[in-house]
Amino acid sequence: GNSVTQMEGPVTLSEEAFLTINCTYTATGYPSLFWYVQYPGEGLQLLLKATKADDKGSNKGFEATYRKETTSFHLEKGSVQVSDSAVYFCALSSMNRDDKIIFGKGTRLHILP
Amino acid sequence: DGGITQSPKYLFRKEGQNVTLSCEQNLNHDAMYWYRQDPGQGLRLIYYSQIVNDFQKGDIAEGYSVSREKKESFPLTVTSAQKNPTAFYLCASSRARNYEQYFGPGTRLTVT
Repeated sequence: GNSVTQMEGPVTLSEEAFLTINCTYTATGYPSLFWYVQYPGEGLQLLLKATKADDKGSNKGFEATYRKETTSFHLEKGSVQVSDSAVYFCALSSMNRDDKIIFGKGTRLHILP
Repeated sequence: DGGITQSPKYLFRKEGQNVTLSCEQNLNHDAMYWYRQDPGQGLRLIYYSQIVNDFQKGDIAEGYSVSREKKESFPLTVTSAQKNPTAFYLCASSRARNYEQYFGPGTRLTVT
């Protein structure tokens, strides 16, 4: 079945550092891929998405490229801020209308000032 | 503004009492979901509904019940049969089951 694996946290970085959070997936066909962000005490927000191979999703300085050859969708940001401290979830949705979205376990990010 | 509302933000109950969490959406989405999130954990699916008057169990449905009488509303009842009800509950909706989901702000339930 479909699955998502993302790097375990917590990830701790200093402000202005480069961020990578790894996400790999297993799926048949051509799934859509998502990154969600959850700030403390809040619900999840859709951060970015990509629906086909080589697509790059981007939002708020974050980027992720859909790499079918490596079945990956790594999240990157060139210069993180303290306000980026949150939990980040990678997710996958298959083409089958009856399939549910699969979420990774989440990666907690701490940014130090 | 379109979105999902959950109320209340914080809820306290005594053990043995049933409690109902509200979830309303004005996004005209067909599908709605309830998740449970424990500290430091990911999301676990409780129930979902793809259409009015129909719903299916998720991975951890025991001790919970739902109804879907209107497209906009998907309330979750945490019954006294749920052994560890204290958690953060998230409601979500989507156009269809395999589309991106949009989440509400969550309800933190504490049972003592």
